[in-house]
Amino acid sequence: GAVVSQHPSRVICKSGTSVKIECRSLDFQATTMFWYRQFPKKSLMLMATSNEGSKATYEQGVEKDKFLINHASLTLSTLTVTSAHPEDSSFYICSARDGSGLAGGWGEQFFGPGTRLTVL
Amino acid sequence: DQQVKQNSPSLSVQEGRISILNCDYTNSMFDYFLWYKKYPAEGPTFLISISSIKDKNEDGRFTVFLNKSAKHLSLHIVPSQPGDSAVYFCAASADKLIFGTGTRLQVFP
Repeated sequence: GAVVSQHPSRVICKSGTSVKIECRSLDFQATTMFWYRQFPKKSLMLMATSNEGSKATYEQGVEKDKFLINHASLTLSTLTVTSAHPEDSSFYICSARDGSGLAGGWGEQFFGPGTRLTVL
Repeated sequence: DQQVKQNSPSLSVQEGRISILNCDYTNSMFDYFLWYKKYPAEGPTFLISISSIKDKNEDGRFTVFLNKSAKHLSLHIVPSQPGDSAVYFCAASADKLIFGTGTRLQVFP
């Protein structure tokens, strides 16, 4: 099946620093990538949708200037948490949609393994 | 507003029996539904999906049922195995995926 990787898997940083998380689709071209955040014992919350070569679309309540998303190629999207604070500590998961595979007119997302961010 | 709800946070089932996980939704525009399995500190893994034009989809031990009039879907796992122990998320899509809050399934010997 399709594989999506994330790097790093775990990061610990000091408050005020910026952290970049990479999401790669390894064996398919991802026309669209999604970034989710999961709080403890809660659902996955969509943060933003990024399409290759265009600006990301952010969900309501997500700060664009704080969570910078770049989708520079069909296999790579990055999420940069700028000036991180302890409340940004969370599990961040990306997913990628294979534009060639449509099921039910939409297609399935393939998820990365997630990145655990801890801000001290 | 939680558009996709999984009202049971946990479920415990004996090995070999049927596991039934339920999911309710409120948005009639959803046209595609998916179930994901998730282990701790890992990303979700796709299990099975169903289009709104169907009412049942089966894949091995997993069957998803969709009742559009009730805005309800369920995932049946038969027979349940200890390796099925995980958190199961249902998700619904129109233009994006909306996830439920998950149900933790524990299959005991």
